[in-house]
Amino acid sequence: GAVVSQHPSRVICKSGTSVKIECRSLDFQATTMFWYRQFPKQSLMLMATSNEGSKATYEQGVEKDKFLINHASLTLSTLTVTSAHPEDSSFYICSARDRLAGGYTDTQYFGPGTRLTVL
Amino acid sequence: QKEVEQDPGPLSVPEGAIVSLNCTYSNSAFQYFMWYRQYSRKGPELLMYTYSSGNKEDGRFTAQVDKSSKYISLFIRDSQPSDSATYLCALRSGGYNKLIFGAGTRLAVHP
Repeated sequence: GAVVSQHPSRVICKSGTSVKIECRSLDFQATTMFWYRQFPKQSLMLMATSNEGSKATYEQGVEKDKFLINHASLTLSTLTVTSAHPEDSSFYICSARDRLAGGYTDTQYFGPGTRLTVL
Repeated sequence: QKEVEQDPGPLSVPEGAIVSLNCTYSNSAFQYFMWYRQYSRKGPELLMYTYSSGNKEDGRFTAQVDKSSKYISLFIRDSQPSDSATYLCALRSGGYNKLIFGAGTRLAVHP
């Protein structure tokens, strides 16, 4: 149980284009999903928290107009990197919180990640 | 000072060794403590989840929490080459707050 998928697993795009990454919870409903960014040999950096049916909450320093997040259903959140540039190249990972979890059982399950390379 | 400190390693041990991984933290509001394992180019996988001081064991893995010292540990017994990965500690304060990750420790277990 508690499987989170991401698509695509790898994407290469030209500078200036937009890229959409999907995050799905496969066997549970997720009211909250999180988007992280990870540079090589570094830890995860939280970009934004996405709640189903409402606007995402972005961490300080993350441009909300550049990283568009949509959480339209309890099992799907999308991250769109708009007008991508080489410096946006990174490993993007989503995680999802089980709607039925709470208190001490609350935890996050991570997707396998999407490697974005912007040429 | 970072909220969570974790030695990035790398840590290299022979197969069969006992591995000790540690994190320290400064905020006493943290109540929930997790260890994730991340293989190269993959997403983190939850290994252990604790919320009280003391030990929790799961197979070859033992998570230890000392809230008075603000110190958490993960022990791996009889380490295997397949344990070679980056281990991240993650902490959360009460409620539905975000996870705060350590830097991650890279572990290499050689045959």
